Amino acid sequence: AQSVTQLGSHVSVSEGALVLLRCNYSSSVPPYLFWYVQYPNQGLQLLLKYTSAATLVKGINGFEAEFKKSETSFHLTKPSAHMSDAAEYFCAVSVDTNAGKSTFGDGTTLTVKP
Amino acid sequence: DAGVTQSPTHLIKTRGQQVTLRCSPKSGHDTVSWYQQALGQGPQFIFQYYEEEERQRGNFPDRFSGHQFPNYSSELNVNALLLGDSALYLCASSPMGSAEHEQYFGPGTRLTVT
Repeated sequence: AQSVTQLGSHVSVSEGALVLLRCNYSSSVPPYLFWYVQYPNQGLQLLLKYTSAATLVKGINGFEAEFKKSETSFHLTKPSAHMSDAAEYFCAVSVDTNAGKSTFGDGTTLTVKP
Repeated sequence: DAGVTQSPTHLIKTRGQQVTLRCSPKSGHDTVSWYQQALGQGPQFIFQYYEEEERQRGNFPDRFSGHQFPNYSSELNVNALLLGDSALYLCASSPMGSAEHEQYFGPGTRLTVT
């Protein structure tokens, strides 16, 4: 079985500051890892994914994440926050090649202050 | 490409009633997964359909059932609704056997049980 823990349900940063959203996972087999963003009253949009290739993964909107097996972590970062980054972010893990049956964390709400 | 579509957008039902939610997958996708997202939580996997059969199931009671049609579209049925079934129901599609390692989410159906 797999699980995801997102540390910090709320993160607040100033515009232009570094964004760091933390995710730790547990999986008995090599996992596929994902970060999704959800804007109010919308579905989930994939930001980036780790599929056992490069450990540093670049995604859309300037986000990136690094897979660290020794720390079982997959933290999401962005060098400079923009007001439009304010949203809910979810980390997810799957062991299926089609990402089916993904297990999600409880989410982190990112607030960006002007 | 219309992406994943879901209907209806919103729905209000009374306890004890039954509800059917619908999903059309992204063009070229043959696998549909359903998730329940309660307020303030991450999505939870309900089940996945492929080749018109339920392939995987999460920890949900038998009141939750589904169906997949030959055109790959899918329905989620919930019987004997409880207040706790109030949530955003998300559908996601993916191509089985693909190395794409990702699923695409629809905008969701907001179900309110009163």
